[in-house]
This record gives sequence, C-alpha cells and structure tokens, in this order.
Amino acid sequence: SAVISQKPSRDICQRGTSLTIQCQVDSQVTMMFWYRQQPGQSLTLIATANQGSEATYESGFVIDKFPISRPNLTFSTLTVSNMSPEDSSIYLCSVEERPLGVNEQFFGPGTRLTVL
Amino acid sequence: GESVGLHLPTLSVQEGDNSIINCAYSNSASDYFIWYKQESGKGPQFIIDIRSNMDKRQGQRVTVLLNKTVKHLSLQIAATQPGDSAVYFCAEGSGGYNKLIFGAGTRLAVHP
Repeated sequence: SAVISQKPSRDICQRGTSLTIQCQVDSQVTMMFWYRQQPGQSLTLIATANQGSEATYESGFVIDKFPISRPNLTFSTLTVSNMSPEDSSIYLCSVEERPLGVNEQFFGPGTRLTVL
Repeated sequence: GESVGLHLPTLSVQEGDNSIINCAYSNSASDYFIWYKQESGKGPQFIIDIRSNMDKRQGQRVTVLLNKTVKHLSLQIAATQPGDSAVYFCAEGSGGYNKLIFGAGTRLAVHP
C-alpha cells in the first residue's frame, strides 16, 4: 500500500488563525480524501480531492472554512481557516488504491490540532 | 492531549481469549464494508474487508461476518494479543466505494 505522510504531526494554534496541513503520498493516486476526527469520536469525511478539479465537500463543510489544494497526484493540502476551539481535532488524509481490484482506502498518521 | 477512543464503548478481554466486536451499519444500499484498527497517535489501519455478496471472510486471526438482514457486521479476533489493543472502526461504502461512512468505534483493551 501507499506510504502517506502528513505535516505537521501536531500543532497548537490561537483562535482566529489558519493552519495548512500537508499530505504527501509516495505514489501517484487519483483520489485523496480529508477526514476530521473530533476528540473521542469517529471519522467524518470533509471532502474528496481529485487532481485537476475542485474538491467536493460533504454536507456541513464549506470551501471557505476548509480550502483544499491538489496540485498533483502525490500531494494535497487542507487549510483550517479562522480557527476556533471547536476545530480541535485530528485531521487525516487518505488515498484510494486498488491493490486487489477493489478500491481500498489507506490513511495517513493524522495531524492533531489544538486550538486555544 | 485526549487520546482516540476516550469516550467510546470498551471491550475488555483476557490475553488469549477470542474477541468479538460488533457494528450496526446504517445504509441498506451499502455493499462494501471494512474494519479499521486505530492505535493511539496513528491513523486507521486497514484490517479486512467484505463485499455484500459474502457473509463471511477470514484473514490472519481475524474473521468478518456480515448479516445484511439486520445490517450487522462483526469482527472476530482469535487468540487476542496485547498488540490488538486499539480502537476498531467499521466503515461502509457503496457504488465505487469512494465515500466511506464510519461507525462509532469500539475500544478493545487486552489484559494479561
């Protein structure tokens, strides 16, 4: 499976600021996804990021708050804008591969964000 | 900082026992199901998957059972080891399996 890295691994930020999270994959992938995992909770899909097109956002998530870039097939960024304490979460990127002919999603290690 | 699964239901088992983790999925149209394991400070790790045309699939020490009638999924871990301690999530997908819907998660605590 693809090796996925994220930067930063964790950060503590002040409210009102923005943070950009990077996701790097060691192979070319068509579909990348960004998830949020709030403290003690499950994962919620924020958006799907395909290279060469605008990201597709899920209900409850908007581009102004979570702008996404996908400049090539190995890299994506997610920005958390105008942060508030409610944005404190783990943010995870994932990629979709077809190792055995079935689409499978593999996750990066996550970025733990704390907003004060 | 707060760890993953702090507020999730916990299944406690003795080392060497078999573990069964259950999941009720939400969408009757889902046709693909995955179990993930998430250790503290890490992203979810793929364990095993099953398609809706099957009701059982086995891996190394793990078995997934699917009951579409009651929309229920279970993960069985044989001879549970301390390294199995983690939070386990089921996820469901449909169509091209692109969008995964994750279940609430269960923390598995293995005691020596």
